[in-house]
Amino acid sequence: GENVEQHPSTLSVQEGDSAVIKCTYSDSASNYFPWYKQELGKRPQLIIDIRSNVGEKKDQRIAVTLNKTAKHFSLHITETQPEDSAVYFCAVGSSNTGKLIFGQGTTLQVKP
Amino acid sequence: NAGVTQTPKFRVLKTGQSMTLLCAQDMNHEYMYWYRQDPGMGLRLIHYSVGEGTTAKGEVPDGYNVSRLKKQNFLLGLESAAPSQTSVYFCASSYRLGDYGYTFGSGTRLTVV
Repeated sequence: GENVEQHPSTLSVQEGDSAVIKCTYSDSASNYFPWYKQELGKRPQLIIDIRSNVGEKKDQRIAVTLNKTAKHFSLHITETQPEDSAVYFCAVGSSNTGKLIFGQGTTLQVKP
Repeated sequence: NAGVTQTPKFRVLKTGQSMTLLCAQDMNHEYMYWYRQDPGMGLRLIHYSVGEGTTAKGEVPDGYNVSRLKKQNFLLGLESAAPSQTSVYFCASSYRLGDYGYTFGSGTRLTVV
């Protein structure tokens, strides 16, 4: 089955710096790549997603890039703010399997 | 419009006891999922359903059963709880199979002692 690896497990940055989180996957049939943000004690919430026919997508300070050949995708957060501190999960899905497989999560700390 | 509602929010069980977690959604979503979240392991899929009356196994199905008798409800059962089932359980639903963002419930924190 699908295997999703996420790195790093923890990331600490200064406010205003950029943060990058990377995920790799194994199933070349996967075609949907969302990112979720989970604040402490809360539910995961979708922040951005990308489909396999697109290489990059941006939404204000957040962007996601996808390299289908290498089977990896990344979340980029620019001009980080303390409220960006949370756990971030990547996930991989496909129309064939009907389910999302999640990475292990990255705890991002933005220091003021 | 409540989205996805999970009950209960917290529960403590003794080893060997049984319980049912309820997930209800009011978005007319066809697809529903149960995940467990453990530190350092992300969200792991227990069971899922692609429509009323259907269920399928996910990554970690052992020790759990599910039922989807009504489209809006997805029940997760623990027949004989074990300490290894101590976790936070999240239900989610989606509009389209496999390639659409999930809406998550607020979670159930279960402790088995």
